[in-house]
Amino acid sequence: EDQVTQSPEALRLQEGESSSLNCSYTVSGLRGLFWYRQDPGKGPEFLFTLYSAGEEKEKERLKATLTKKESFLHITAPKPEDSATYLCAVQVNFNKFYFGSGTKLNVKP
Amino acid sequence: DTAVSQTPKYLVTQMGNDKSIKCEQNLGHDTMYWYKQDSKKFLKIMFSYNNKELIINETVPNRFSPKSPDKAHLNLHINSLELGDSAVYFCASSPTGSKDTGELFFGEGSRLTVL
Repeated sequence: EDQVTQSPEALRLQEGESSSLNCSYTVSGLRGLFWYRQDPGKGPEFLFTLYSAGEEKEKERLKATLTKKESFLHITAPKPEDSATYLCAVQVNFNKFYFGSGTKLNVKP
Repeated sequence: DTAVSQTPKYLVTQMGNDKSIKCEQNLGHDTMYWYKQDSKKFLKIMFSYNNKELIINETVPNRFSPKSPDKAHLNLHINSLELGDSAVYFCASSPTGSKDTGELFFGEGSRLTVL
């Protein structure tokens, strides 16, 4: 059964304290892995797409990496404005996506 | 100018009632979706339409009926509401063909509370 698991469920960091979020997946055929950011009361907002193992993408303090079984979202020197829920999704065919339950990140000043 | 807009943003209603949520996108995308986000934050696909044609219908009770009058609109009608229908419903859209990056564009969600 296709499944996406994210860990940890919640993460508290001090401003400037780097860490990583994990997304592990078991799917029959991966077309792409996506990271989204979701702020309270808002819809998810796209961050990155990764297509093959070894691929990396960066945006400001965020870097996403992909292996055959999992993806990491590394957050370097986070700021309070990085506080949000980060969702991982895998695409198994052109319009079918499975989402994880997210990691709620809280960055304290 | 909002790309994917949903109305209403909040909906509080009694068990047994019928309600609708509307969605419109001005991105020119061919594919639209309804997702349900439960209290544990899982986003689950309910329906997907491509150019007004239903292409994904997950195991959703038939009390839920989507309708796409044109490719820019996808509405969701729910009959005989139950307590378990309480959730946030997200509309999303995506391009197809050569513009398809897999990225989904979400609306801000419609929070449904069934009392």
